[in-house]
Amino acid sequence: GQSLEQPSEVTAVEGAIVQINCTYQTSGFYGLSWYQQHDGGAPTFLSYNALDGLEETGRFSSFLSRSDSYGYLLLQELQMKDSASYFCAVRVRSGGYQKVTFGIGTKLQVIP
Amino acid sequence: DGGITQSPKYLFRKEGQNVTLSCEQNLNHDAMYWYRQDPGQGLRLIYYSQIVNDFQKGDIAEGYSVSREKKESFPLTVTSAQKNPTAFYLCASSTLAGVSYEQYFGPGTRLTVT
Repeated sequence: GQSLEQPSEVTAVEGAIVQINCTYQTSGFYGLSWYQQHDGGAPTFLSYNALDGLEETGRFSSFLSRSDSYGYLLLQELQMKDSASYFCAVRVRSGGYQKVTFGIGTKLQVIP
Repeated sequence: DGGITQSPKYLFRKEGQNVTLSCEQNLNHDAMYWYRQDPGQGLRLIYYSQIVNDFQKGDIAEGYSVSREKKESFPLTVTSAQKNPTAFYLCASSTLAGVSYEQYFGPGTRLTVT
């Protein structure tokens, strides 16, 4: 099976930078995704890393190290609206199929 | 507008009754997924399908059933065998082309069984 670990809660100040880590144990690994979910809402896709390195999209960046089974999401210039839960998810091969397994999520609270 | 619809938004049922949650997408995506989310928890995969008339069990399939008779539709039935059915249910879809396999989620159905 797959297992993912990420911190359950993080608090950061508006305007600051925060890093949310994710470690995983899995076989048949294809890539690591990040999703954002506001309370009561649906998750929305933020980023995907299949190869080692950093991917930048605006204020958000995501990093992957396949050899370390580790990735992180970096949020810069934090805004109050960034308060949400952030999930890492691994895409893996499962038999002849591909499936996605999510972590438990990190609840980010941005404070003034 | 393309997207995923789930209905209803809130659903209440008595224990012992089967209930079917609707999920429809007009994104022309091949793959569809059902997840369950409990308070403070991540998303747990119930079933997924990558092609019409074919679907696979996820990590917590017991007590659930699905069908995929049309590409656009992937209804989930929560049966009376599901011991703890009260949860937030999310349907998603994705293309199988490209790199990211980005999943698009519907708004969810909050099921309460008493």
